[in-house]
Amino acid sequence: DQQVKQNSPSLSVQEGRISILNCDYTNSMFDYFLWYKKYPAEGPTFLISISSIKDKNEDGRFTVFLNKSAKHLSLHIVPSQPGDSAVYFCAAGSGGSNYKLTFGKGTLLTVNP
Amino acid sequence: GAGVSQSPSNKVTEKGKDVELRCDPISGHTALYWYRQSLGQGLEFLIYFQGNSAPDKSGLPSDRFSAERTGGSVSTLTIQRTQQEDSAVYLCASSLAGGSLQGYTFGSGTRLTVV
Repeated sequence: DQQVKQNSPSLSVQEGRISILNCDYTNSMFDYFLWYKKYPAEGPTFLISISSIKDKNEDGRFTVFLNKSAKHLSLHIVPSQPGDSAVYFCAAGSGGSNYKLTFGKGTLLTVNP
Repeated sequence: GAGVSQSPSNKVTEKGKDVELRCDPISGHTALYWYRQSLGQGLEFLIYFQGNSAPDKSGLPSDRFSAERTGGSVSTLTIQRTQQEDSAVYLCASSLAGGSLQGYTFGSGTRLTVV
């Protein structure tokens, strides 16, 4: 039973345009969410996070939106750059055991020059 | 060190053999985690160490898997009698506290292939 789902295995966008990566979750106990970026042969790198008390968090070109009623979050990257090409993982945790993250399968983003 | 260091980076082993994977966390990080990523899957939680507390082993898939953390620093994940389904990338991570909105710092992983 997949509690965190990234339904798009891949996404291709043009440099300078917006990239939107989506994530759905089923466990209503999740109360914080993170996005990680992973390049080949490297470990995942923390990108941005959001607590369930917020519906938006922004850090430079990256914005995460959380819709609790829909159990959906998205990562917006604008403008997209070729260096953003990587696999993006959505992860979720709950306050009681905030060390045990549940990850989605990832979305491969390709930004074309 | 500056980051989380894992060794070896690649390991090919024969089915039935034991393997040891090593993780050196960031100095001063009290929390250490092991995850694994099988082909086409997301990261799967295995085990969590926090300071001197008893580790949370709830993610270990079978009793062939064990892990220890010596002196609150280096950790070793041991897989006994390896099976082909153990083939995966094993990722270690560390953080200052037991999980937070800041996320973990991951190592580059050990790619284990059981033949």
